[in-house]
Amino acid sequence: DQQVKQNSPSLSVQEGRISILNCDYTNSMFDYFLWYKKYPAEGPTFLISISSIKDKNEDGRFTVFLNKSAKHLSLHIVPSQPGDSAVYFCAASPFGATDSWGKLQFGAGTQVVVTP
Amino acid sequence: NAGVMQNPRHLVRRRGQEARLRCSPMKGHSHVYWYRQLPEEGLKFMVYLQKENIIDESGMPKERFSAEFPKEGPSILRIQQVVRGDSAAYFCASSPPRGGTNTGELFFGEGSRLTVL
Repeated sequence: DQQVKQNSPSLSVQEGRISILNCDYTNSMFDYFLWYKKYPAEGPTFLISISSIKDKNEDGRFTVFLNKSAKHLSLHIVPSQPGDSAVYFCAASPFGATDSWGKLQFGAGTQVVVTP
Repeated sequence: NAGVMQNPRHLVRRRGQEARLRCSPMKGHSHVYWYRQLPEEGLKFMVYLQKENIIDESGMPKERFSAEFPKEGPSILRIQQVVRGDSAAYFCASSPPRGGTNTGELFFGEGSRLTVL
C-alpha cells in the first residue's frame, strides 16, 4: 500500500533553471511532510519540511508547497546547481496523531540530474 | 562526529548466516528507528525503539528479524538465517523526544549495506 507516491523517477534540468519535484499522498492522517536528499552510498539528509497548517515553507533556494485538498506537495529548487544532483525523497508523518510520528512513509524517490 | 553512527558500513553474509547491524544515535537522542531500502525503492519503516523498549515493530518481518536498544550500548538489528532477499541498505535514524527541540525530522546514519551471497 503505497501511501506516498513520487511518480517521476527522474528529472533532468539545466543549471540555473528551476527544478520541480512532485509528491502525492493518500492518508489524511499525515500532517507533517519532509523532503530528504540522498547521495549514493550515503544516508538521507533532511532538506526542508512543512506542517499541514501551512501551505508554503521556504528555506533559501528550496521551497515546499502543500495543497491539502489535493493531497499534493511539491519541492521547488531555484536556481538549480550541479551539487543538487541527487535522489530526493518525499516523506510523510502523522506527527500530531500518534506517538509513532517518526514512522515516516517515504516515496520511491526522484533522481535529479542538473546539467551544466 | 556527533551524527548517527552505523556499523558495519558493508556486510557480506552467506545464506543461513546471521547479520548484526549496529547503530549509535546522536548525542541526546533517545529514539531510534530502523529503515530498509531495497534496490530502486524508497525507505521502508521497520521498527521504532526507545531505551529498553520496542515502541512499534509493525514494519518488521515476522520471522528472523529482531531489534533491541539496550540501556547501555548501541541499538542492534539482528537478522537470523539470512536469505538473498535480505540484501538491502539498512538505515538507522534517531530523534530527540517529542516536544522541546524536536523539529519532527529524523537524522539518518550512512547505512549498512548487507549483501547475501
